[in-house]
Amino acid sequence: DAGVTQSPTHLIKTRGQQVTLRCSPKSGHDTVSWYQQALGQGPQFIFQYYEEEERQRGNFPDRFSGHQFPNYSSELNVNALLLGDSALYLCASSFLGTGANYGYTFGSGTRLTVV
Amino acid sequence: KQEVTQIPAALSVPEGENLVLNCSFTDSAIYNLQWFRQDPGKGLTSLLLIQSSQREQTSGRLNASLDKSSGRSTLYIAASQPGDSATYLCAAGGGGGGADGLTFGKGTHLIIQP
Repeated sequence: DAGVTQSPTHLIKTRGQQVTLRCSPKSGHDTVSWYQQALGQGPQFIFQYYEEEERQRGNFPDRFSGHQFPNYSSELNVNALLLGDSALYLCASSFLGTGANYGYTFGSGTRLTVV
Repeated sequence: KQEVTQIPAALSVPEGENLVLNCSFTDSAIYNLQWFRQDPGKGLTSLLLIQSSQREQTSGRLNASLDKSSGRSTLYIAASQPGDSATYLCAAGGGGGGADGLTFGKGTHLIIQP
């Protein structure tokens, strides 16, 4: 049973560019959340997608956007990259179908470096 | 706004010791609390999930407790081993049926000396 899969594992981008990160949730999960983890910090919630809609959003600017596809996979897009966007980006999936949450499963993350 | 604090920030102990990691949260209206382990440069591995109606959960040498009224959770590790060395994160799950985003602490960096 595959867990959460993220791609790519590492990425180097230039300031001002745009980046797309991808996530496939664990089998049976229908909800995808994205987190940003700066070095030495705990993960910070970016947003969550359920039924192809953004369900909740953390304190991140509109440069951060996302999408969820009918197969529950998701993309995170970041426009106009800043040096401060350098971080580990984590995707987490969960099952919300019954209205209850039974915990999150995280992927291994994408390490984004902005130069 | 939920805030999660973990104490201590770092801990180094000899192999074989029992130890306790602490987590506190400011808003007691949580749906659940989850403990994770993170190895350097890696993703998060879920260790234990405690629903708001539960007091504790156990898995092997790990035991986590939850006291919503005082806004505290502890992770107890018995008979520590060098392989337990990692950063341990606690995360509070909010309302919305538990579907709201997790709020994390900064973690406790644990080193078990052989």
